[in-house]
Amino acid sequence: GDSVTQMEGPVTLSEEAFLTINCTYTATGYPSLFWYVQYPGEGLQLLLKATKADDKGSNKGFEATYRKETTSFHLEKGSVQVSDSAVYFCAFVTGNQFYFGTGTSLTVIP
Amino acid sequence: ETGVTQTPRHLVMGMTNKKSLKCEQHLGHNAMYWYKQSAKKPLELMFVYNFKEQTENNSVPSRFSPECPNSSHLFLHLHTLQPEDSALYLCASSQEDRGRADTQYFGPGTRLTVL
Repeated sequence: GDSVTQMEGPVTLSEEAFLTINCTYTATGYPSLFWYVQYPGEGLQLLLKATKADDKGSNKGFEATYRKETTSFHLEKGSVQVSDSAVYFCAFVTGNQFYFGTGTSLTVIP
Repeated sequence: ETGVTQTPRHLVMGMTNKKSLKCEQHLGHNAMYWYKQSAKKPLELMFVYNFKEQTENNSVPSRFSPECPNSSHLFLHLHTLQPEDSALYLCASSQEDRGRADTQYFGPGTRLTVL
């Protein structure tokens, strides 16, 4: 069945380090892909999205490229900050069904 | 910034209490959702409403009762809950057109503690 697999955490990085969080999906049809971020005590906030193959979503220095051939949507940031500490969720929608990964916790230390 | 609001943000209730969670979306969407987020567990979809009609109920116990009076408001009525129902309850909305949904936008959640 349809599903999202994302890198298990927790991930701990030093400030200014490079971040990659892997995400792969199994989907019927042509999904739209998303990354959400959840800060402590808050709901999920849309971070970026991509709706078709080779699209690159970007926001706040984060990027992810829709790779249809590898069914992947890896999240990257070149230089993380302490304020990026949060839980990151990969997700997709196909038709009207949403699928979420289990979340990857990121802690950035000064 | 969020176009989806939820109240209350925190709620503590006993197992015999009755309470309600409220969600309001200001995005003009036609679909609304309730999710349950528990520690160390994946996000669980509870209910989906589209054009005020319930289109999904993922085997949720009857002690949770949703209500959607219009496309902007969604309630979750709670009664005789159990301690294991303690969780973060998230509301979301999206625009759905001809069976295809666009991006979901989430509210800040209600942190529920059942004593």
